Amino acid sequence: SQTIHQWPATLVQPVGSPLSLECTVEGTSNPNLYWYRQAAGRGLQLLFYSVGIGQISSEVPQNLSASRPQDRQFILSSKKLLLSDSSFYLCAWSAKTGQGPYEQYFGPGTRLTVT
Amino acid sequence: AQTVTQSQPEMSVQEAETVTLSCTYDTSESNYYLFWYKQPPSRQMILVIRQEAYKQQNATENRFSVNFQKAAKSFSLKISDSQLGDTAMYFCAFMKLTSGNTPLVFGKGTRLSVIA
Repeated sequence: SQTIHQWPATLVQPVGSPLSLECTVEGTSNPNLYWYRQAAGRGLQLLFYSVGIGQISSEVPQNLSASRPQDRQFILSSKKLLLSDSSFYLCAWSAKTGQGPYEQYFGPGTRLTVT
Repeated sequence: AQTVTQSQPEMSVQEAETVTLSCTYDTSESNYYLFWYKQPPSRQMILVIRQEAYKQQNATENRFSVNFQKAAKSFSLKISDSQLGDTAMYFCAFMKLTSGNTPLVFGKGTRLSVIA
């Protein structure tokens, strides 16, 4: 069965420091991968998605970037964190169109606090 | 662009009762999927149910069922025999089927409280 991991679960970082959040998927190959952000009590905002290694699409221009160095690894980064980057970050995967099922499966999330 | 609207920010229901959460969407696509996700206090997003637009029959998963009205672009979730563990945020989501990526468009969510 497929499993998706995220780490760390919780992170407290000072303003101006770098960020690296990691997401890995097991039990599937060539998945679509996604990074979302969710403010407290709010809906999900799609940040980045990737259909393959090195292929990243950005939905919202901001202080963050994403990379996919391996088929099942997706990394969210920042060179200098802002206070406004404090949020809950979720990684998700889905199968390619034509392969099904098409729902997205989410990791446990990372709670980031920038101080 | 597709939009998903959940008009009920908060709802409550007595344990063992039935509750219906509303969702409407706007799209010009004909081939798409709809989903309901649950997010309990742990914040783990859990898939509750999905509906393929080409299917007329409403999806059902145990105590959860949907009322899919394609012409009206409505996709409501009914929870029967509500349980305390159903307390969570519920998100409606839309996904169009294309040859490429499949990003979800989420509504803003409905916070459901089940009261003992």
